[in-house]
Amino acid sequence: GAGVSQSPSNKVTEKGKDVELRCDPISGHTALYWYRQSLGQGLEFLIYFQGNSAPDKSGLPSDRFSAERTGGSVSTLTIQRTQQEDSAVYLCASSRTSGGEVDTQYFGPGTRLTVL
Amino acid sequence: AQSVTQLGSHVSVSEGALVLLRCNYSSSVPPYLFWYVQYPNQGLQLLLKYTSAATLVKGINGFEAEFKKSETSFHLTKPSAHMSDAAEYFCAVRKAGTALIFGKGTTLSVSS
Repeated sequence: GAGVSQSPSNKVTEKGKDVELRCDPISGHTALYWYRQSLGQGLEFLIYFQGNSAPDKSGLPSDRFSAERTGGSVSTLTIQRTQQEDSAVYLCASSRTSGGEVDTQYFGPGTRLTVL
Repeated sequence: AQSVTQLGSHVSVSEGALVLLRCNYSSSVPPYLFWYVQYPNQGLQLLLKYTSAATLVKGINGFEAEFKKSETSFHLTKPSAHMSDAAEYFCAVRKAGTALIFGKGTTLSVSS
């Protein structure tokens, strides 16, 4: 079946603009995660959603970052007033479930964000 | 707090040689450990995972890893490197909750 998809694959924006990144998880997966991959910081957890529960936002670096997940499926990561340090590859992953099970997270190809 | 440390940001081997990528973890509870691979311009792909069922874990593409509690290690090995193994490899531990905490990554280069 189809894997995790993300759009756009590349995004170039100017400093101060808002951007939205989209993630379509694997059908039937209830858990969805956002990570950021940058040269200086490696792979960092940002936020995760599990079903209808309140998301774990503990990894979001500032209040300029937010995410939502509509209908338990598609998720959008929004970065307001982008800064140059936001330049990175944003990765989305999904898994069948979370909680006490160690379920495999499947990653999308990522969105490469460049802030000029 | 849980963390992983990957020793060596870059490892170079010859085709046919042993591959050894090192990962040490820190965890106050029995950990769940993972190795992911990232090929150029692609997303992360799971190689293998340790979930306490067996200390020697076999993964895809001939890779395996051994969980050693006494050494707090989970090193990744492959007996014979192929050119196609050239990629970046990430060790990760699952934090309380479900998100993954990744190491800094190790880039594997394979020469002919």
